[in-house]
Amino acid sequence: AQKITQTQPGMFVQEKEAVTLDCTYDTSDQSYGLFWYKQPSSGEMIFLIYQGSYDEQNATEGRYSLNFQKARKSANLVISASQLGDSAMYFCAMRRSGGSYIPTFGRGTSLIVHP
Amino acid sequence: DAGVTQSPTHLIKTRGQQVTLRCSPKSGHDTVSWYQQALGQGPQFIFQYYEEEERQRGNFPDRFSGHQYPNYSSELNVNALLLGDSALYLCASSLGQWDQPQHFGDGTRLSIL
Repeated sequence: AQKITQTQPGMFVQEKEAVTLDCTYDTSDQSYGLFWYKQPSSGEMIFLIYQGSYDEQNATEGRYSLNFQKARKSANLVISASQLGDSAMYFCAMRRSGGSYIPTFGRGTSLIVHP
Repeated sequence: DAGVTQSPTHLIKTRGQQVTLRCSPKSGHDTVSWYQQALGQGPQFIFQYYEEEERQRGNFPDRFSGHQYPNYSSELNVNALLLGDSALYLCASSLGQWDQPQHFGDGTRLSIL
């Protein structure tokens, strides 16, 4: 069975600073994908970044980067130069390849960016 | 290019009733997944439809059923509503490949009285 753990229920960061949101996962699969989503108060889940288990380079998408440490089974999201609009819930998720496509989400981390 | 659209936005029902939620996927997407998100929780996978068939199912009772139409739009039906069914129901679409990101709609907030 897959499991995603996000240990930080809430995080606070000053505008323009960087912040790291933690995500650890548990799986016995060798091939899987890790995703981060942002959910503003409006409810829509917005895809941010993806990392495949066999990708050698850490994924980056603009101000978002994923610090992937496979041996530690961690996939932390780093947001550089935080903006007020980054205030939202952030969810880490994973999906195994082939067979069962059932994705697993963590409980989320609430990020508040201060001016 | 329209994204994922869900209707209705909000819905209030009473225990024992039945409800149907609707979803139109993002243009070009052929796979639709449904999630239930209780307050303060992450989304829980209900099921996924591809080529009008239920491809995967999460740990939800048979009261939860769905359908996918030839134009890839989808419905989620919930029978015999319980108070615990109150949640945000999210629809997500994607291409069939497993490593493609899912695009979510704004959700339907269902309240059971």
